[in-house]
Amino acid sequence: EADIYQTPRYLVIGTGKKITLECSQTMGHDKMYWYQQDPGMELHLIHYSYGVNSTEKGDLSSESTVSRIRTEHFPLTLESARPSHTSQYLCASSEPRGGLGGRETQYFGPGTRLLVL
Amino acid sequence: AQTVTQSQPEMSVQEAETVTLSCTYDTSESDYYLFWYKQPPSRQMILVIRQEAYKQQNATENRFSVNFQKAAKSFSLKISDSQLGDAAMYFCACSTTSGTYKYIFGTGTRLKVLA
Repeated sequence: EADIYQTPRYLVIGTGKKITLECSQTMGHDKMYWYQQDPGMELHLIHYSYGVNSTEKGDLSSESTVSRIRTEHFPLTLESARPSHTSQYLCASSEPRGGLGGRETQYFGPGTRLLVL
Repeated sequence: AQTVTQSQPEMSVQEAETVTLSCTYDTSESDYYLFWYKQPPSRQMILVIRQEAYKQQNATENRFSVNFQKAAKSFSLKISDSQLGDAAMYFCACSTTSGTYKYIFGTGTRLKVLA
């Protein structure tokens, strides 16, 4: 079944640790996104990608980095986690402009809740 | 700059009643899409309904419908026969498909459904 997956779902980690949040989608979508969302609050776009080897920074400045080596995989890395990074991170993907399905509709993963102590 | 505004942080509705969530947007692009997404507590965000800006007819999906007023840049969501499962955060979003790519979400409206 086509879907979008995020691991881990929950992560508690100490300050200064390097972490990678995984995101994979099996829908063949070109565009992928990372959002940061505090509980019950608005979404802030931190990174997006148009396709393989394409990465762009979003509207919210973030100390994280991303890579897009494969279409289906869009990991987010924090080199040195800090308590200010505590939040929920949502990954999403969407069809390209010429897609036959719901153009520009974003499909979201279940999210990763990160707590940095 | 492209903006999406949801002026109602929280709304309540009685079960089986109708509620309307407001959204206004601003974009200089001529070609764009509008969306309502639903995020239930601790669950995945999903699409509720979408509207292509070039279509005059308002989109409808079962109990969910929109009132799209292009000139006023308004895109409200109407939920009819509200159910307890409709309780969630609802986000309005706008995606432009020409010029610089933008996908902007509003701040969200928390909908409570009262039994």
